[in-house]
Formats: sequence, C-alpha cells, structure tokens
Amino acid sequence: QSVLTQPPSVSAAPGQKVTISCSGSSPNIGKNSVSWFQQLPGTAPKLLIYDNNKRPSGIPDRFSGSKSGTSATLGITGLQTGDEADYYCGTWDGSLSAGVFGGGTKLTVL
Amino acid sequence: EVQLVESGGGVVRPGGSLRLSCAASGFTFDDYGMSWVRQAPGKGLEWVSGINWNGGSTGYADSVKGRFTISRDNAKTSLYLQMNSLRTEDTALYYCARVGTFYYDSSGYPAFNWFDPWGQGTLVTVSS
Repeated sequence: QSVLTQPPSVSAAPGQKVTISCSGSSPNIGKNSVSWFQQLPGTAPKLLIYDNNKRPSGIPDRFSGSKSGTSATLGITGLQTGDEADYYCGTWDGSLSAGVFGGGTKLTVL
Repeated sequence: EVQLVESGGGVVRPGGSLRLSCAASGFTFDDYGMSWVRQAPGKGLEWVSGINWNGGSTGYADSVKGRFTISRDNAKTSLYLQMNSLRTEDTALYYCARVGTFYYDSSGYPAFNWFDPWGQGTLVTVSS
C-alpha cells in the first residue's frame, strides 16, 4: 500500500485532456513539494514536474502540475499516443523520514 | 550530457551481499545529493536511500535500514550502495538518481526531494 494514493488507470482520446490525482497527508504533500514522473514502457522514470508546478527544460507545456493542501494533480492536454505511460507522484514524508511515491497511474490514450 | 550509469547487479542468494555502483558524468557531482530508488518487477517506485553532497548526511527507507549503506566518492564521481543480508523482497531494478533538492525536514532529518535524471537501472535478483 503506497503512502500516496493515485488512481490505477486513466484513459482519454487523442487530443483530449486528462488529470491524474495524488492524495497524501500532512507529513508528506502537506509539508513538502510534489514531483511527477513519466515512465514509458521499458525505460527509466523521467521528471515531468517538480516543486508542485515547475517544468524542467524540454518538458512541453502540455504537462502541468498543481497542489492544494494534501493533494496534487498532474494535467496533460493535447494527448498523444506517445503519452501512454505510467505516471508517478512523489514527495518527502517528514513522519517516515523517507521519500514516498504513489502507486502509479497507467495512462491509456484510446 | 548528464549521465548516470549503474552497475553491479546480479543474482545473489538470500543472506548474501552485493555492491552497486553508479558512475556520474556531465555535471559537477559534488554539487548534488544522490539517491537510490528501486522498482520490483511489475511494481511501483520505492525510495531506498539518499546522501548529501559530501556524504555527511544519509537517509534510508525502513525496509533497508541497518542492511544497506549508501556512500559516494566525489573524486571518482561515483555513488555506491552496499547491500547486505539480502532478502527475496529486495529483488528489483535499482536506479541511481540525482537529487533535485536536499534539505532538513521539520524533524531535523535529511530530506531528498525530486530526482532528475535517473540512470537506466541495474537488476538485483535475490533467489535461492
């Protein structure tokens, strides 16, 4: 059971928008910034969002992040078939003194 | 180009030991904290351990505390993970990752938050 809760799967059509939620609690999301990672099949995770809503260079603005209280959301607009991947949220948990991740969300672009 | 290359994985019996290495290049290694993150086959990501820029602060997940030791050699721009008393549940792909931000959390413990980039991983299989 992951400390951060994500939906196991989401789906949407090409060109549409999808959001992926990440629910935590006070010691983790409530007190620390959230990051998001994309893991394409057979590859290492790649950073999409850090510090709740910042995009590293090279990440298109189709990807966005937000945080409110103890929850965070990843948004993806203009969906492409190449966006099919597993998406993970992550943060630090001050109660566990450990990094924590969500269980991952599999995105299917229909 | 920033690059992280892990090595040292393999098959080991329960109770055995293994030492993973991560060779870093393309950035000033001793400017950054580093972490190990693992992924069991078909499962999600699990943070394992982190170390600050000079090795003076380290942190471990409860699942590996007392069995794994993280270290670094800045002169060799390398990160290590010494894994002892290995268990079948340690079977996973182990990723080396550069830490985005290091700080001390509200409890005074070293905190390692967000990771970029990640290496390609090295597979550790613990099996009899």
